[in-house]
Amino acid sequence: TQLLEQSPQFLSIQEGENLTVYCNSSSVFSSLQWYRQEPGEGPVLLVTVVTGGEVKKLKRLTFQFGDARKDSSLHITAAQPGDTGLYLCAGAENNDMRFGAGTRLTVKP
Amino acid sequence: DVKVTQSSRYLVKRTGEKVFLECVQDMDHENMFWYRQDPGLGLRLIYFSYDVKMKEKGDIPEGYSVSREKKERFSLILESASTNQTSMYLCASSFSVTGSGTEAFFGQGTRLTVV
Repeated sequence: TQLLEQSPQFLSIQEGENLTVYCNSSSVFSSLQWYRQEPGEGPVLLVTVVTGGEVKKLKRLTFQFGDARKDSSLHITAAQPGDTGLYLCAGAENNDMRFGAGTRLTVKP
Repeated sequence: DVKVTQSSRYLVKRTGEKVFLECVQDMDHENMFWYRQDPGLGLRLIYFSYDVKMKEKGDIPEGYSVSREKKERFSLILESASTNQTSMYLCASSFSVTGSGTEAFFGQGTRLTVV
Protein backbone atom coordinates (compact mmCIF):
# COMPACT_ATOMS: atom_id res chain seq x y z
CA THR A 1 0.00 0.00 0.00
CA GLN A 2 1.35 3.37 -1.02
CA LEU A 3 1.58 5.99 1.68
CA LEU A 4 0.96 8.55 -1.04
CA GLU A 5 -1.74 7.78 -3.61
CA GLN A 6 -1.46 9.51 -6.95
CA SER A 7 -4.23 9.74 -9.52
CA PRO A 8 -4.68 9.18 -12.31
CA GLN A 9 -1.96 6.62 -12.89
CA PHE A 10 -1.92 7.34 -16.64
CA LEU A 11 -3.10 10.40 -18.55
CA SER A 12 -2.96 10.97 -22.30
CA ILE A 13 -4.14 14.31 -23.67
CA GLN A 14 -3.83 16.55 -26.71
CA GLU A 15 -1.54 19.55 -26.84
CA GLY A 16 -3.30 22.65 -25.51
CA GLU A 17 -5.56 20.86 -23.03
CA ASN A 18 -5.54 21.51 -19.29
CA LEU A 19 -5.10 18.79 -16.70
CA THR A 20 -4.92 18.20 -12.96
CA VAL A 21 -3.22 15.35 -11.15
CA TYR A 22 -3.61 14.54 -7.49
CA CYS A 23 -1.56 13.31 -4.59
CA ASN A 24 -3.43 12.12 -1.49
CA SER A 25 -2.44 10.68 1.86
CA SER A 26 -3.85 9.97 5.28
CA SER A 27 -0.60 11.24 6.79
CA VAL A 28 0.41 14.81 7.55
CA PHE A 29 3.68 15.94 6.01
CA SER A 30 6.00 18.74 7.01
CA SER A 31 6.59 19.38 3.33
CA LEU A 32 5.61 17.92 0.01
CA GLN A 33 7.49 17.97 -3.26
CA TRP A 34 6.61 17.40 -6.88
CA TYR A 35 9.16 15.86 -9.22
CA ARG A 36 9.25 15.14 -12.93
CA GLN A 37 11.13 12.16 -14.29
CA GLU A 38 12.07 11.42 -17.88
CA PRO A 39 12.92 7.90 -19.10
CA GLY A 40 16.36 6.69 -18.02
CA GLU A 41 16.94 9.61 -15.67
CA GLY A 42 16.43 10.35 -11.99
CA PRO A 43 13.53 12.55 -10.84
CA VAL A 44 14.11 16.30 -10.88
CA LEU A 45 12.49 18.61 -8.36
CA LEU A 46 9.76 20.95 -9.62
CA VAL A 47 8.53 22.54 -6.40
CA THR A 48 8.35 22.22 -2.63
CA VAL A 49 5.28 23.27 -0.66
CA VAL A 50 5.48 23.69 3.10
CA THR A 51 2.49 25.66 4.36
CA GLY A 52 -1.08 24.31 4.40
CA GLY A 53 -3.13 26.00 1.67
CA GLU A 54 -0.02 27.19 -0.13
CA VAL A 55 -0.21 27.75 -3.89
CA LYS A 56 2.89 27.98 -6.06
CA LYS A 57 3.12 28.72 -9.75
CA LEU A 58 5.87 27.66 -12.10
CA LYS A 59 5.03 29.05 -15.55
CA ARG A 60 2.08 26.91 -16.71
CA LEU A 61 2.20 24.66 -13.65
CA THR A 62 0.21 25.44 -10.50
CA PHE A 63 0.81 23.47 -7.32
CA GLN A 64 -1.45 23.48 -4.28
CA PHE A 65 -0.88 22.03 -0.82
CA GLY A 66 -4.02 21.04 1.07
CA ASP A 67 -5.01 22.96 4.19
CA ALA A 68 -4.37 19.90 6.35
CA ARG A 69 -1.02 19.18 4.64
CA LYS A 70 -2.17 15.72 3.61
CA ASP A 71 -2.76 16.22 -0.10
CA SER A 72 -1.65 18.22 -3.09
CA SER A 73 -2.57 18.88 -6.69
CA LEU A 74 -0.68 19.83 -9.81
CA HIS A 75 -2.53 21.69 -12.55
CA ILE A 76 -1.00 22.20 -15.99
CA THR A 77 -2.48 24.82 -18.32
CA ALA A 78 -2.22 24.44 -22.10
CA ALA A 79 -0.12 21.28 -21.94
CA GLN A 80 2.72 20.87 -24.40
CA PRO A 81 4.52 17.73 -25.67
CA GLY A 82 7.52 18.77 -23.60
CA ASP A 83 5.42 18.24 -20.46
CA THR A 84 5.38 14.50 -21.16
CA GLY A 85 6.90 12.53 -18.29
CA LEU A 86 6.30 10.83 -14.97
CA TYR A 87 5.11 13.21 -12.26
CA LEU A 88 5.89 12.09 -8.72
CA CYS A 89 4.86 13.55 -5.41
CA ALA A 90 6.91 12.98 -2.26
CA GLY A 91 6.22 13.67 1.39
CA ALA A 92 8.87 14.30 4.03
CA GLU A 93 8.37 13.34 7.66
CA ASN A 94 10.21 11.52 10.45
CA ASN A 95 13.65 11.63 8.83
CA ASP A 96 12.58 9.92 5.64
CA MET A 97 10.93 10.71 2.36
CA ARG A 98 8.21 8.66 0.70
CA PHE A 99 7.08 8.79 -2.91
CA GLY A 100 3.84 8.10 -4.68
CA ALA A 101 3.73 5.74 -7.67
CA GLY A 102 3.43 8.67 -10.06
CA THR A 103 1.21 9.88 -12.88
CA ARG A 104 2.51 9.12 -16.35
CA LEU A 105 1.51 12.01 -18.59
CA THR A 106 1.62 11.89 -22.38
CA VAL A 107 0.87 15.05 -24.34
CA LYS A 108 0.26 14.39 -28.01
CA PRO A 109 1.11 17.04 -30.61
CA ASP B 1 24.61 22.77 -8.53
CA VAL B 2 24.16 19.68 -6.42
CA LYS B 3 25.58 16.61 -8.01
CA VAL B 4 24.69 13.06 -7.06
CA THR B 5 26.70 10.48 -8.93
CA GLN B 6 25.97 6.77 -9.13
CA SER B 7 28.85 4.54 -10.12
CA SER B 8 27.14 2.69 -12.97
CA ARG B 9 24.26 3.38 -15.38
CA TYR B 10 23.80 -0.26 -16.33
CA LEU B 11 24.85 -3.42 -14.52
CA VAL B 12 24.33 -7.11 -15.24
CA LYS B 13 25.05 -9.59 -12.46
CA ARG B 14 24.51 -13.29 -11.89
CA THR B 15 22.24 -14.79 -9.27
CA GLY B 16 24.09 -15.20 -6.00
CA GLU B 17 26.72 -12.55 -6.65
CA LYS B 18 27.43 -9.83 -4.10
CA VAL B 19 26.68 -6.48 -5.73
CA PHE B 20 27.83 -3.02 -4.66
CA LEU B 21 26.08 0.14 -5.85
CA GLU B 22 27.95 3.32 -5.01
CA CYS B 23 26.58 6.83 -4.65
CA VAL B 24 28.49 10.05 -4.02
CA GLN B 25 27.12 13.56 -3.40
CA ASP B 26 29.12 16.76 -3.39
CA MET B 27 26.92 19.16 -1.39
CA ASP B 28 27.64 18.09 2.17
CA HIS B 29 24.07 16.83 2.57
CA GLU B 30 23.19 15.10 5.82
CA ASN B 31 20.63 12.71 4.41
CA MET B 32 21.05 10.06 1.76
CA PHE B 33 18.54 7.57 0.41
CA TRP B 34 18.38 4.44 -1.71
CA TYR B 35 15.19 3.66 -3.65
CA ARG B 36 14.24 1.09 -6.19
CA GLN B 37 11.77 1.95 -8.92
CA ASP B 38 9.55 -0.62 -10.59
CA PRO B 39 6.67 -0.06 -13.03
CA GLY B 40 3.40 0.62 -11.22
CA LEU B 41 5.06 0.63 -7.81
CA GLY B 42 6.83 3.96 -7.91
CA LEU B 43 9.89 4.63 -5.79
CA ARG B 44 10.15 2.39 -2.76
CA LEU B 45 12.55 3.31 0.01
CA ILE B 46 15.13 0.62 0.78
CA TYR B 47 17.36 2.36 3.34
CA PHE B 48 18.24 5.88 4.34
CA SER B 49 20.94 7.51 6.40
CA TYR B 50 20.80 10.81 8.28
CA ASP B 51 24.42 10.84 9.40
CA VAL B 52 27.72 9.06 8.96
CA LYS B 53 27.54 5.46 10.19
CA MET B 54 23.80 5.86 10.82
CA LYS B 55 21.26 3.90 8.84
CA GLU B 56 17.55 3.27 8.98
CA LYS B 57 15.46 0.65 7.23
CA GLY B 58 12.93 1.82 4.71
CA ASP B 59 9.95 -0.11 3.41
CA ILE B 60 11.79 -2.95 1.64
CA PRO B 61 15.20 -3.57 3.30
CA GLU B 62 15.17 -7.37 2.95
CA GLY B 63 18.07 -8.64 0.86
CA TYR B 64 19.93 -5.34 1.07
CA SER B 65 22.41 -3.66 3.36
CA VAL B 66 24.04 -0.24 3.31
CA SER B 67 27.21 1.45 4.38
CA ARG B 68 27.94 5.09 5.11
CA GLU B 69 31.53 5.46 6.29
CA LYS B 70 31.90 8.98 4.89
CA LYS B 71 29.34 11.74 4.66
CA GLU B 72 29.50 12.01 0.88
CA ARG B 73 29.21 8.31 0.09
CA PHE B 74 26.33 5.91 0.58
CA SER B 75 26.67 2.35 -0.67
CA LEU B 76 23.92 -0.19 -1.30
CA ILE B 77 24.90 -3.84 -1.06
CA LEU B 78 22.99 -6.79 -2.40
CA GLU B 79 24.34 -9.63 -0.31
CA SER B 80 23.29 -12.38 -2.72
CA ALA B 81 21.63 -11.02 -5.84
CA SER B 82 18.37 -12.58 -6.94
CA THR B 83 16.30 -12.11 -10.10
CA ASN B 84 13.58 -10.26 -8.18
CA GLN B 85 16.13 -7.56 -7.44
CA THR B 86 16.27 -6.63 -11.11
CA SER B 87 15.22 -2.99 -11.03
CA MET B 88 16.19 0.65 -11.41
CA TYR B 89 18.05 1.81 -8.31
CA LEU B 90 18.05 5.50 -7.46
CA CYS B 91 20.21 7.27 -4.92
CA ALA B 92 19.22 10.66 -3.51
CA SER B 93 20.49 13.18 -0.99
CA SER B 94 18.93 16.08 0.86
CA PHE B 95 20.04 18.70 3.36
CA SER B 96 17.13 18.18 5.72
CA VAL B 97 13.97 16.12 6.06
CA THR B 98 11.81 18.73 7.77
CA GLY B 99 10.77 22.22 6.70
CA SER B 100 12.87 23.87 4.04
CA GLY B 101 15.81 22.07 2.53
CA THR B 102 13.94 18.79 2.17
CA GLU B 103 14.36 18.65 -1.58
CA ALA B 104 15.89 15.39 -2.76
CA PHE B 105 18.51 15.47 -5.47
CA PHE B 106 18.78 12.27 -7.44
CA GLY B 107 21.49 10.46 -9.27
CA GLN B 108 20.91 9.24 -12.81
CA GLY B 109 19.98 5.76 -11.65
CA THR B 110 21.50 2.31 -12.06
CA ARG B 111 19.55 -0.21 -14.05
CA LEU B 112 20.49 -3.56 -12.54
CA THR B 113 19.67 -6.83 -14.25
CA VAL B 114 20.20 -10.07 -12.35
CA VAL B 115 20.36 -13.15 -14.58
